[in-house]
Amino acid sequence: SQKIEQNSEALNIQEGKTATLTCNYTNYSPAYLQWYRQDPGRGPVFLLLIRENEKEKRKERLKVTFDTTLKQSLFHITASQPADSATYLCALNDYKLSFGAGTTVTVRA
Amino acid sequence: GAGVSQSPSNKVTEKGKDVELRCDPISGHTALYWYRQSLGQGLEFLIYFQGNSAPDKSGLPSDRFSAERTGGSVSTLTIQRTQQEDSAVYLCASSLDLGSAFFGQGTRLTVV
Repeated sequence: SQKIEQNSEALNIQEGKTATLTCNYTNYSPAYLQWYRQDPGRGPVFLLLIRENEKEKRKERLKVTFDTTLKQSLFHITASQPADSATYLCALNDYKLSFGAGTTVTVRA
Repeated sequence: GAGVSQSPSNKVTEKGKDVELRCDPISGHTALYWYRQSLGQGLEFLIYFQGNSAPDKSGLPSDRFSAERTGGSVSTLTIQRTQQEDSAVYLCASSLDLGSAFFGQGTRLTVV
């Protein structure tokens, strides 16, 4: 089965900077790769989905890239704000939805 | 309904008792997932349903755990003879095929 690795458990950045999160996976490339946000005490919330034939997807200040050769996705939060502080989860669709452990982002004002 | 609904939101039970957790997915969503999340940890996959069938039960921690889904809708996760290590938040999610998943708020289970 897939192994999903997300970079460092915690990322601390200054407001206004860009946060870049990494998701690496083993084995075969999934049809879809997704990113979710989870706030303490709440269930994950879907943010973006990118298909294997797409290189990049954007939504407001968020950008996701998908490199099937490197088996890697990058998640960028541009012009970060304290409200962006949360845990961000990478998820892969094969025949089920499997999640990485997440990266906790803290944006300092 | 408008979103995924889970009940109860909190459950405190005595060690050795059985518990049932309920998930009401978004209407029309064919896929349903159960996950477990311990404090400060990631999402642990438990089971996945496509319609009423469960093609993947590999995540169930032991034979004390079982789940069913009826009518392609509501799902129940049952834990028999609960143990303290079962204490966690149990999350349910639903999706259309392999699309984005929508999560409920979870059931916080505490075994005392």
